[in-house]
Amino acid sequence: DIQMTQSPSSLSASVGDRVTITCRASQSISNYLNWYQQKPGKAPKLLIYVASALESGVPSRFSGSGSGTDFTLTISSLQPEDFATYYCQRSYGTPLTFGGGTKVEIK
Amino acid sequence: EVQLVESGGGLVQPGGSLRLSCATSGFTFITYWMTWVRQAPGKGLEWVANIKQDGSEKYYVDSVKGRFTISRDNAKNSFFLQMTSLRAEDTAVYYCARAVRGGSVFDYWGQGTLVTVSS
Repeated sequence: DIQMTQSPSSLSASVGDRVTITCRASQSISNYLNWYQQKPGKAPKLLIYVASALESGVPSRFSGSGSGTDFTLTISSLQPEDFATYYCQRSYGTPLTFGGGTKVEIK
Repeated sequence: EVQLVESGGGLVQPGGSLRLSCATSGFTFITYWMTWVRQAPGKGLEWVANIKQDGSEKYYVDSVKGRFTISRDNAKNSFFLQMTSLRAEDTAVYYCARAVRGGSVFDYWGQGTLVTVSS
């Protein structure tokens, strides 16, 4: 099975900071990569699909890039409501594996 | 408004069974793949199973194959997860979600239902 590895597992940042989260696949998955945001006690929310397409209603400060095995989620200017855990997910073939998550905390 | 509402969670003994339901509204259910994703306490997300629009294709994560069965009732805009031979490691919040782009992108989620497997 293809493994999805996120880094870092957690980070501390301040409002206004640029934040980058990395997801690496154990083999090429082309651009079949999605990103989700999850806040405590809530269901995940889709942010980005096929590596770089912004889901409707998601603020433009979120962006995704990458292909093959290496992908990034960037938040251009961190806002208070962005403190959450972020997950990448492979979206081709099964199992539809998630990464381990990156918790973004307030510095 | 798209809505998904899970039910059926609870406490069950190891080896027991439980059936989760997901009632949906606000979209044309028969045209979408549907999926179950779980999250053990304090852990990350794990995809569990998904089912094609007409139920003709079903896929499972290896750890539940042979124990869990996903199904749907298109007349009732609902789908289900029948769980048998439950183990402590199946303890999790189970989310149902709508799946797009061939069943692999999860764009709307329910609020989750907790399944606890313990004696």
